[in-house]
Amino acid sequence: DGGITQSPKYLFRKEGQNVTLSCEQNLNHDAMYWYRQDPGQGLRLIYYSQIVNDFQKGDIAEGYSVSREKKESFPLTVTSAQKNPTAFYLCASSRQPGWTEAFFGQGTRLTVV
Amino acid sequence: GQQVMQIPQYQHVQEGEDFTTYCNSSTTLSNIQWYKQRPGGHPVFLIQLVKSGEVKKQKRLTFQFGEAKKNSSLHITATQTTDVGTYFCGVQGAQKLVFGQGTRLTINP
Repeated sequence: DGGITQSPKYLFRKEGQNVTLSCEQNLNHDAMYWYRQDPGQGLRLIYYSQIVNDFQKGDIAEGYSVSREKKESFPLTVTSAQKNPTAFYLCASSRQPGWTEAFFGQGTRLTVV
Repeated sequence: GQQVMQIPQYQHVQEGEDFTTYCNSSTTLSNIQWYKQRPGGHPVFLIQLVKSGEVKKQKRLTFQFGEAKKNSSLHITATQTTDVGTYFCGVQGAQKLVFGQGTRLTINP
């Protein structure tokens, strides 16, 4: 089955620790995105990538980092510099950035204590 | 960057009533997409509109793209409890996909 997979579904970390969220897709999509969703809030763009080895900051990139070494993978690291990291993180991919439908993963709910 | 405003933020209706959410942009859009996120779930693509004045229907859902391609609406006729969720519009801006704030729909059965 083709799709986009995020892991883990729930993640707990202590304050001050970096944590990496996994996102893998087997849809052969060029574009991948990371969004953050807070309770009752919309989807805010963290980082996006249009092609392998290239990525751009979104609207709320501070405190986050990404890599795109493989077409299938776009991991997100939440660093200790992120002031309010507790949130629901969604990864998405699309064949063409913004022109075709985006497929979302199931999301990772990160709780920092 | 490309921004789109979505209203209302919340809408509570009685089952059987109609529901509409609107997306507005200050600039002309190349296209607009609509997604639905069920409670506890992830956004799922509903439809994409590309042409000026375009109207598309999916059963009880009607999607419209404004003549000036600066606004769009999603209308649900005779809501059912299965329509509960948050509806987002998504637009392309500088090769990225950004979303409106979403409209959360709750329904009283």
